[in-house]
Amino acid sequence: DGGITQSPKYLFRKEGQNVTLSCEQNLNHDAMYWYRQDPGQGLRLIYYSQIVNDFQKGDIAEGYSVSREKKESFPLTVTSAQKNPTAFYLCASSIAYRTGRNTEAFFGQGTRLTVV
Amino acid sequence: AQTVTQSQPEMSVQEAETVTLSCTYDTSESNYYLFWYKQPPSRQMILVIRQEAYKQQNATENRFSVNFQKAAKSFSLKISDSQLGDTAMYFCAFMKPHGGGADGLTFGKGTHLIIQP
Repeated sequence: DGGITQSPKYLFRKEGQNVTLSCEQNLNHDAMYWYRQDPGQGLRLIYYSQIVNDFQKGDIAEGYSVSREKKESFPLTVTSAQKNPTAFYLCASSIAYRTGRNTEAFFGQGTRLTVV
Repeated sequence: AQTVTQSQPEMSVQEAETVTLSCTYDTSESNYYLFWYKQPPSRQMILVIRQEAYKQQNATENRFSVNFQKAAKSFSLKISDSQLGDTAMYFCAFMKPHGGGADGLTFGKGTHLIIQP
């Protein structure tokens, strides 16, 4: 079945460590996104990528980094510069670039990151 | 930049009742997409319904329908014959078509809908 896979489901990070969240999709979607979800805040866009080897900052990119070396993969690194990283992180993908149309986003199951 | 506002942080209705969730948005775009997503306790985001701005007809999906008022920039979700499984966070979202600059979905802060037995 096609879909988006995020791993791990739960992740614990010590102060000062970088951690990488995985996101893989087999939907042949061009666009991929990372969102952060905090209670009462809705979903906020961290980074997005419309095509391989290209990505753009979203609204809250500080302290995060991404790469898009393959169409299927869009990992997110939470760096030590992110002062409050404890949150729920959602990855999404959508058909976007070549068709000239954008459609709904499909989401992974999320990763809960906790700083210990 | 687009903004999406959901003015009802929480709503509670009895099973089998009809409930309407409100959403307003602000944009200067003429063509765009609007969505309602459901997030149950599992936290999986599930698309409920989608509306394309250039279509005047309101979208419907079984018990779910929208009232899309483009001039008023309003996009409400009506759930008929509500069921216990409808209990979830509901997010209204806006998306620009590709080619319009920054992309990605812009979400409202959500409405927590509780269906009481």
